[in-house]
Amino acid sequence: NAGVTQTPKFQVLKTGQSMTLQCAQDMNHEYMSWYRQDPGMGLRLIHYSVGAGITDQGEVPNGYNVSRSTTEDFPLRLLSAAPSQTSVYFCASSYHRTGGNYGYTFGSGTRLTVV
Amino acid sequence: GDSVTQMEGPVTLSEEAFLTINCTYTATGYPSLFWYVQYPGEGLQLLLKATKADDKGSNKGFEATYRKETTSFHLEKGSVQVSDSAVYFCALAGVSGSARQLTFGSGTQLTVLP
Repeated sequence: NAGVTQTPKFQVLKTGQSMTLQCAQDMNHEYMSWYRQDPGMGLRLIHYSVGAGITDQGEVPNGYNVSRSTTEDFPLRLLSAAPSQTSVYFCASSYHRTGGNYGYTFGSGTRLTVV
Repeated sequence: GDSVTQMEGPVTLSEEAFLTINCTYTATGYPSLFWYVQYPGEGLQLLLKATKADDKGSNKGFEATYRKETTSFHLEKGSVQVSDSAVYFCALAGVSGSARQLTFGSGTQLTVLP
């Protein structure tokens, strides 16, 4: 039972480079999301998906793209990396049932540095 | 929109001391409330949750009660251990907005000294 798997764990990029952060879940959760964690700011939602083929923006979407072609995978793309995107990125999958019964599972994170 | 305000840290306690980390929220309707814990170098783990008013979530000696009248969800533990040293996040899942994705507080760093 792997849960949510994120790769890579660490990455250093130069300004202007592009890359994709991978996220996969094996729990058949319909919802997936990406957060970034910055000191003193908690986690902020970047993009999320409510099912295959459906994505939407969160609080801080600029500079990031996502797609959801399968239930299992939800990659996050940085098209042209900037130093402001230096952060720790977490992917999560979740289920939402009636009565507020929600369950969220987080990956172990990707620490990204843009120089 | 939804927001979570969390007691600022860092918090340093001696082993066996009583812990309270305050958390208040702003949201429409009746959100679900969560406490997550993050140990150094790791991801987030669910500590406890509550889905309706007056519910008490509990786990590993930690407790929090969903107080609708004060819009609060304070985390408490009667006797902390060195192994409780971590960052604690209060979060809510609203009933509207971003499809019930989580809104987090800024986190509270807890250090427990032997």
